[in-house]
Amino acid sequence: GAVVSQHPSRVICKSGTSVKIECRSLDFQATTMFWYRQFPKQSLMLMATSNEGSKATYEQGVEKDKFLINHASLTLSTLTVTSAHPEDSSFYICSAVPYGLAGRRGETQYFGPGTRLLVL
Amino acid sequence: KNQVEQSPQSLIILEGKNCTLQCNYTVSPFSNLRWYKQDTGRGPVSLTIMTFSENTKSNGRYTATLDADTKQSSLHITASQLSDSASYICVVSAYGNNRLAFGKGNQVVVIP
Repeated sequence: GAVVSQHPSRVICKSGTSVKIECRSLDFQATTMFWYRQFPKQSLMLMATSNEGSKATYEQGVEKDKFLINHASLTLSTLTVTSAHPEDSSFYICSAVPYGLAGRRGETQYFGPGTRLLVL
Repeated sequence: KNQVEQSPQSLIILEGKNCTLQCNYTVSPFSNLRWYKQDTGRGPVSLTIMTFSENTKSNGRYTATLDADTKQSSLHITASQLSDSASYICVVSAYGNNRLAFGKGNQVVVIP
């Protein structure tokens, strides 16, 4: 159980275009999802916390107008990279916390398989 | 300064040998510590989770230890296999919130 999927697994786009990445919890509901970015040989860096039915909370230094997050249902959160630039090329990973456990002790985040974004 | 430091950054081991990875943290108040395995180009997969009162936890050939007093953890891989080649990430969470502190990972390469 507790499977999180991401789509697409990899995407190549031209500079200036927008790219949408989906994160789905397949067998559980998630009121809270997290979006991370990971550069080669680096830690996962939290970008934002996505809350179902409300605005996302962004980490310092992350542009909310560039990285649009929508958490429209208990099983789906989307990250849209707008006007993508080559420096946005990275590995984007989402995680989800099962409904009812959000805010409790910080564990039980289930990670998706990641999306490799390459902006040319 | 990163709240979670891992060492060694990378290591190469022969198939069948054992290895131990280290994790030191400063996260407080401590809630739990997880070791994840991340294959190249994939998301992290949880191996073990330990709370304050647990000293050791095993998952097959993976054994994690925790010393909450010294804020140190280790992950021991027994009889390594080629499929163990991956990055092993130590993740520590603070009590009372969902924020996680990630280490940079130990990159393990197992060679035949």
